[in-house]
Amino acid sequence: GENVEQHPSTLSVQEGDSAVIKCTYSDSASNYFPWYKQELGKRPQLIIDIRSNVGEKKDQRIAVTLNKTAKHFSLHITETQPEDSAVYFCAASDLGNEKLTFGTGTRLTIIP
Amino acid sequence: EPEVTQTPSHQVTQMGQEVILRCVPISNHLYFYWYRQILGQKVEFLVSFYNNEISEKSEIFDDQFSVERPDGSNFTLKIRSTKLEDSAMYFCASTRRGNGELFFGEGSRLTVL
Repeated sequence: GENVEQHPSTLSVQEGDSAVIKCTYSDSASNYFPWYKQELGKRPQLIIDIRSNVGEKKDQRIAVTLNKTAKHFSLHITETQPEDSAVYFCAASDLGNEKLTFGTGTRLTIIP
Repeated sequence: EPEVTQTPSHQVTQMGQEVILRCVPISNHLYFYWYRQILGQKVEFLVSFYNNEISEKSEIFDDQFSVERPDGSNFTLKIRSTKLEDSAMYFCASTRRGNGELFFGEGSRLTVL
C-alpha cells in the first residue's frame, strides 16, 4: 500500500518568512495530493491540492509543487502570519482508490 | 456552507462496552469515510462506504468495527467491544465523488477507560 513520509515534524519560522514542508510517497499510481491544515482540537481542513497532471499550483500565499518522477511534493507558505500556526498534513491517493494516506504531520509555529 | 456533523463530540466508556459514533454527511455526497487520529499522531484511514456497502477498509478495521447507513442521512461507526487502544479522535468525512476533496466533521473523541 501507499506510504507517505513527511518532513520536518516541527518547524518554526519568523513571521513574514517562508515555510516549506516536504512529503514523499511510495505508490507511483497515486495521482491526487491534498494538504490539510489542522488547528488544535479541530478538524483537518483542505488548504490546497494538486493532481498529477500539473507540476505546481498556487493559491495566494500557498503553493504546492509535485515531482512525479521523484515521488515528492511540497507545500510552500510565503509571508507567514501567526494564524498559519497549525499542524499540516500531506496526503496521497490514487484514482479508483478512495482512501487518503496521510503523512505524519508538521507542527508549524510562526514566531511573531 | 454545508458541513459534516458528528455526535457525540466526546464519549467516555469502559473497556468492553459498545460504542456508536454518528455522522451526518453533506447531503449530496456519495462517498463516506471514517478516519481516526490517536492523540498527537497522524490521521489514519479506517473505512470507506459507497452505494450502501464498504468499498475499502484498513487493517485497523477488524471484526470489532462495523459501519451502517441506517437511513438517508446518518452514517454510523460501531465498535462492539472497546479496547484501551481504541481511544482516539474519530473523524467522519464525505465527498461527492471518489478521489475528490474530503470534508471532515469536527470529530468524536472516544476515551476508553
